[in-house]
Amino acid sequence: ILNVEQSPQSLHVQEGDSTNFTCSFPSSNFYALHWYRWETAKSPEALFVMTLNGDEKKKGRISATLNTKEGYSYLYIKGSQPEDSATYLCALMEYGNKLVFGAGTILRVKS
Amino acid sequence: GAGVSQTPSNKVTEKGKYVELRCDPISGHTALYWYRQSLGQGPEFLIYFQGTGAADDSGLPNDRFFAVRPEGSVSTLKIQRTERGDSAVYLCASSLSGADTQYFGPGTRLTVL
Repeated sequence: ILNVEQSPQSLHVQEGDSTNFTCSFPSSNFYALHWYRWETAKSPEALFVMTLNGDEKKKGRISATLNTKEGYSYLYIKGSQPEDSATYLCALMEYGNKLVFGAGTILRVKS
Repeated sequence: GAGVSQTPSNKVTEKGKYVELRCDPISGHTALYWYRQSLGQGPEFLIYFQGTGAADDSGLPNDRFFAVRPEGSVSTLKIQRTERGDSAVYLCASSLSGADTQYFGPGTRLTVL
């Protein structure tokens, strides 16, 4: 059974700060790693899908990396804005297609 | 195009009652998933449909929970004899096929009093 840990549990930053958080997992026996952003009262939004060790993806001010050998993925946000406030979820897709989620990192950006 | 929709957005019921939660996936998506998020935790897998059939129902917690997708599109999650511990946000997702990105609906918040 896959176990996904996310840290920190929550983060409060000032507008303009850059920040990063971690998704860690003990096993590389999965098909893909997904990052989602979930704003209150909205649907979780897919940010990135990564499958290969060393994958790096970027979308505007947000980027992510994957290291399957050491069992972690980082999500970076450059120059945080209040609209980045959300819960960021990491999930591993097992070979049976179901997602195994971490508990998420809650980000609050103060203006 | 339209995303995944779920109804109702909120449902309050009493312990012991029966509830149905509905999911309308993105048109053309063959795979449909149900997840449940309890307070302070990440979403947990319940069931996965490929077309009309349940490909994996290993996440359903007990036999009070049942889901159907009779025509391979809309799905209904059914919970019998609800318990307070069933209170959670129930999320539905769909994908073009099994291994593709899953697109989520806004969820149904179920509260069992």
